[in-house]
Amino acid sequence: EDQVTQSPEALRLQEGESSSLNCSYTVSGLRGLFWYRQDPGKGPEFLFTLYSAGEEKEKERLKATLTKKESFLHITAPKPEDSATYLCAVQGRYAGANSKLTFGKGITLSVRP
Amino acid sequence: EAGVAQSPRYKIIEKRQSVAFWCNPISGHATLYWYQQILGQGPKLLIQFQNNGVVDDSQLPKDRFSAERLKGVDSTLKIQPAKLEDSAVYLCASSQEETQYFGPGTRLLVL
Repeated sequence: EDQVTQSPEALRLQEGESSSLNCSYTVSGLRGLFWYRQDPGKGPEFLFTLYSAGEEKEKERLKATLTKKESFLHITAPKPEDSATYLCAVQGRYAGANSKLTFGKGITLSVRP
Repeated sequence: EAGVAQSPRYKIIEKRQSVAFWCNPISGHATLYWYQQILGQGPKLLIQFQNNGVVDDSQLPKDRFSAERLKGVDSTLKIQPAKLEDSAVYLCASSQEETQYFGPGTRLLVL
């Protein structure tokens, strides 16, 4: 069974204070690892997909990296508007491109001005 | 491009009552998913449709939950009868390939 563990559960940063969010996973053959952002009262918003170890993707102040066992979401010089819950999910290779996502519990990020 | 639409956005019911949620996926997306998200948890898949056929319903409590996707477009998820533990956000998502796009969710409170 696929498993995803995210840490820490919550993170409070000062504006401009860079940090990283961790996602550890176990899956029988990784098709893709996904990062989503979820604001209160809204559905998850897609950020990145990573497919293989060593891959990196960037979007504004966010950079996602992937190893064979974990992924990191690095936040550089965060702003208050980056405050949200960040969800990590994996998709196994066994069931095809449209197979289900297994999510972690999420990391709630709060950035103080 | 319009996103995934869901209604209602909020619903409050008494236990043992029934409730239904509606989802309209992104145009052209063949795959549709219903997830349940309990407060403080990540979303958990309930059922997955490919066009109007069920691909995965292994985690759907079939004694009380049912879902259908008529004509391979809109979908309805029903709970009958509802229990207190069904209080959660019900998210609909759709995909064309591997990336799933989520709707805003329906927040259900069972009293």
